[in-house]
Amino acid sequence: QMQLQESGPGLVKPSETLSLTCSVSGYSVNSGYYWGWIRQPPGKGLEWIGSISHDGDTYYNVSLQSRLTLSLDTSKNQFSLKLGSVSASDTAIYFCAAGILRNARFDPWGQGTQVIVSS
Amino acid sequence: EVVMTQSPVTLSVSPGERATLFCRASQSITSSVAWYQQKPGLAPRLLIYGVSTRATGVPPRFSGSGSGTEFTLTIDSLQSEDFAVYFCQQYHDWLGTFGQGTKLEIK
Repeated sequence: QMQLQESGPGLVKPSETLSLTCSVSGYSVNSGYYWGWIRQPPGKGLEWIGSISHDGDTYYNVSLQSRLTLSLDTSKNQFSLKLGSVSASDTAIYFCAAGILRNARFDPWGQGTQVIVSS
Repeated sequence: EVVMTQSPVTLSVSPGERATLFCRASQSITSSVAWYQQKPGLAPRLLIYGVSTRATGVPPRFSGSGSGTEFTLTIDSLQSEDFAVYFCQQYHDWLGTFGQGTKLEIK
């Protein structure tokens, strides 16, 4: 059974880079799926951030692409997110998930990790 | 950008009854819509994709319908575990935008 688990700092200073990693168990990240990131600001809905395919192609939300980098580490069976120049509006719960499509049909998801941008 | 508008914001229904949740797209998205369930403190769970196809393990009391811009998620004979927040998502365009959610609460 595939499981995903996010990790990373819970507090990031404004203007710095947010870095998160998603560890996958029960499935090899280079075997298939799109590996996605979705976030949920406090009390709000969900926003697709971006995805990376099993062979390393990246797909970014246009509103974030100038600050966003996704990568895949097949040796560790992980994928990662780096979001630069963060501000308070980047405060959210960040989820990683496995998608059948690059931006949808995500299942399963990780449990989510809270990220607060504050000095 | 396709905007997804869900209604109502909150729906109060008694256990055992039927709940009907709505999602409207700002433009036609053909059949590219999915529904997710999210319980407090947990990650969303995929329920439905392609308007009406249930994801693996989803009980048949969950059904989806609609086309174009109007979509519906129906939950028959509500169980206690069904009270949660439900999101629709379109994947017709690049952004894969989500609705703001409908909170299904116990009446």
